[in-house]
Amino acid sequence: QKEVEQDPGPLSVPEGAIVSLNCTYSNSAFQYFMWYRQYSRKGPELLMYTYSSGNKEDGRFTAQVDKSSKYISLFIRDSQPSDSATYLCASSYSGAGSYQLTFGKGTKLSVIP
Amino acid sequence: SAVISQKPSRDICQRGTSLTIQCQVDSQVTMMFWYRQQPGQSLTLIATANQGSEATYESGFVIDKFPISRPNLTFSTLTVSNMSPEDSSIYLCSVEDHGGRREQYFGPGTRLTVT
Repeated sequence: QKEVEQDPGPLSVPEGAIVSLNCTYSNSAFQYFMWYRQYSRKGPELLMYTYSSGNKEDGRFTAQVDKSSKYISLFIRDSQPSDSATYLCASSYSGAGSYQLTFGKGTKLSVIP
Repeated sequence: SAVISQKPSRDICQRGTSLTIQCQVDSQVTMMFWYRQQPGQSLTLIATANQGSEATYESGFVIDKFPISRPNLTFSTLTVSNMSPEDSSIYLCSVEDHGGRREQYFGPGTRLTVT
């Protein structure tokens, strides 16, 4: 079992829809959780960062972490065609010397005008 | 956040040759990382490169195949040696920019095709 599982999609939604992207993880030692957005032929761009459990909101984006169920979510409100990209979830341990990020495979999102 | 550039952006190489990828950051950073992104796969960490010390390689990656240099706090190179078609991938460098918060910022990537 991979440590971070993510449905690769593809996911296609109409413009203006609410998008829900999800990951599950198996390692209870993960404390840092991130979402990256990657446009075609570009490097991943850090979108959201969360430490431990809870919600974090930034504009149209909301990240949620539920450590009890080991579930990570990203919600996009009022989705736009410019949101069309691959979204990668990532997790990391706490503690010195453990800087590796473990990524999901990414979900490809298309927002149709 | 740090601005990261990579050279080359893409290359097509012949089997058995080597390619060195450069990563330049616009500010001094302690932690630099090299990842591989294969089609349909997760980003996989190759190694962590700290200035002034040997790179730390992840399981499945060895120094003879992927030698890394880190001569200063703004620059690193990754060499893919004795290439085979299985090395065709996107290679990405990243930096940690916030002192232990695990926020990593990525370069644009180098798209390598080995024929």
